[in-house]
Amino acid sequence: SQKIEQNSEALNIQEGKTATLTCNYTNYSPAYLQWYRQDPGRGPVFLLLIRENEKEKRKERLKVTFDTTLKQSLFHITASQPADSATYLCALDASSGTYKYIFGTGTRLKVLA
Amino acid sequence: DAGITQSPRHKVTETGTPVTLRCHQTENHRYMYWYRQDPGHGLRLIHYSYGVKDTDKGEVSDGYSVSRSKTEDFLLTLESATSSQTSVYFCAISGSPSGGPTNTGELFFGEGSRLTVL
Repeated sequence: SQKIEQNSEALNIQEGKTATLTCNYTNYSPAYLQWYRQDPGRGPVFLLLIRENEKEKRKERLKVTFDTTLKQSLFHITASQPADSATYLCALDASSGTYKYIFGTGTRLKVLA
Repeated sequence: DAGITQSPRHKVTETGTPVTLRCHQTENHRYMYWYRQDPGHGLRLIHYSYGVKDTDKGEVSDGYSVSRSKTEDFLLTLESATSSQTSVYFCAISGSPSGGPTNTGELFFGEGSRLTVL
C-alpha cells in the first residue's frame, strides 16, 4: 500500500540546535516533494519544494534533502528558535508530475528556550 | 497572501442534511484542492481539480462530490452529512501566476472551514 510516514511523536529540541525531521514514503514515485509549516488553527504554509533530480535545497536556515533511492526526505532547521515551534508536514505528488499532492501526518516540533 | 477564501468558516449541521463548502480564488490558478484534517490523520485529499470541469478523486472521496464550473470557484458538497464528516476542511490552490499550464508546485491554503455534524 502507499504510505507517507512522518514521526508522529513530538520532537523537542533546545534552542540553537539543529532540528531534523524525516519523511519516508512507500510505493510512490514523486516528481516533487514539499515541506509545509502549520500553526494551530491555521492553514499550512509552504516552505520548500525539491524535485526528484535535486539532492538538496536550502532557504535561509532551512535545508531539505531528497533521496529517491531510500525514498526519504530530511528537513533541517539550523539554529532553531522558539518561533520555529509548529507542526511540519511533508507532501508529494501521488502520480509523478500530476500535482496531486498527498500529505504525511506531520511532526510537531517544540523548540525549548 | 494568495487570494483564497473559504465559506462558510464555521458550520453546524445535522446528520442527513446537504452541505456545500465554497472555495474562491482570485489568482487564476489552474489547480484547486479540497483536504480534510483530523487529529491523528493529518491532511487527507478529498478531491482535486486540474482545470474547469476537470476533477479527480483523492484519498477519501466517498460521501463527497465537487464541481468547478469556472476557474475561481471550487465547490465541495456533502450530499447527506454524517458525523464522520465532522472535520476541518481546507481548500488549496496551485499553479502558474499567469494562469498558464505550468505550475510552480507550491500550494496556497485557505483558512479552513470547521464543519460539525450532529
